[in-house]
Amino acid sequence: EVQLVQSGTEVKKPGESLKISCKGSGYIFTKFWIAWMRQMPGKGLEWMGIIYPGDSDTRYSPSFQGQVTMSVDKSIDTAYLQWTSLKASDTAVFYCARLFLYGDSYFDYWGQGTLVTVSS
Amino acid sequence: EIVMTQSPATLSVSPGERATLSCRASQNINYNLAWYQQKPGQAPRLLIHGASTRATGTPARFSGSGSETEFTLTISSLQSEDFTVYYCQQYSNWPLTFGGGTKVEVK
Repeated sequence: EVQLVQSGTEVKKPGESLKISCKGSGYIFTKFWIAWMRQMPGKGLEWMGIIYPGDSDTRYSPSFQGQVTMSVDKSIDTAYLQWTSLKASDTAVFYCARLFLYGDSYFDYWGQGTLVTVSS
Repeated sequence: EIVMTQSPATLSVSPGERATLSCRASQNINYNLAWYQQKPGQAPRLLIHGASTRATGTPARFSGSGSETEFTLTISSLQSEDFTVYYCQQYSNWPLTFGGGTKVEVK
């Protein structure tokens, strides 16, 4: 069974750094792109970017380029999303999801989401 | 960037009735459209890809249609668990983009 399990809820202060994780299982992790999405409180879904665990190739949405960094540790089948200096406007739920295929780029499996709250 | 516009924002339907949700793309995306269902406090779930292909586990009462710029998700007979939010997503061009969502509520 394909599963993506994300790290737990985070409460941070503005200016702090953060790294959240997404661990894949039930499939060959290095063969499928992993995507990250943001959902701000009461709002819709926004695609942030994708990363290929096989070689760490990345594609960022222009809206998120330079704001976050995606990475992977393929030895433990885990993808990461990190911030160096959080802002209050980063408060959201972040989802990882598996991309079916590059080119057939819909999301067939999703993590449960990580709630990030940034508040002073 | 391709803008995806969903309408209506909220759809009020009685249980057992038919629901028709619309999604419009700002340019031709052929059949490169997916639909997702999101229940409160849960991650989205893939329902439809390729505009009309049901994902594994999607009940037959859900159907997708359309091409190019106009797409429809139809729920033939609404069950209690279907009253929630639905999103469309285009994957024809980068960046990938979602519609703003349609909430299906009990009339």
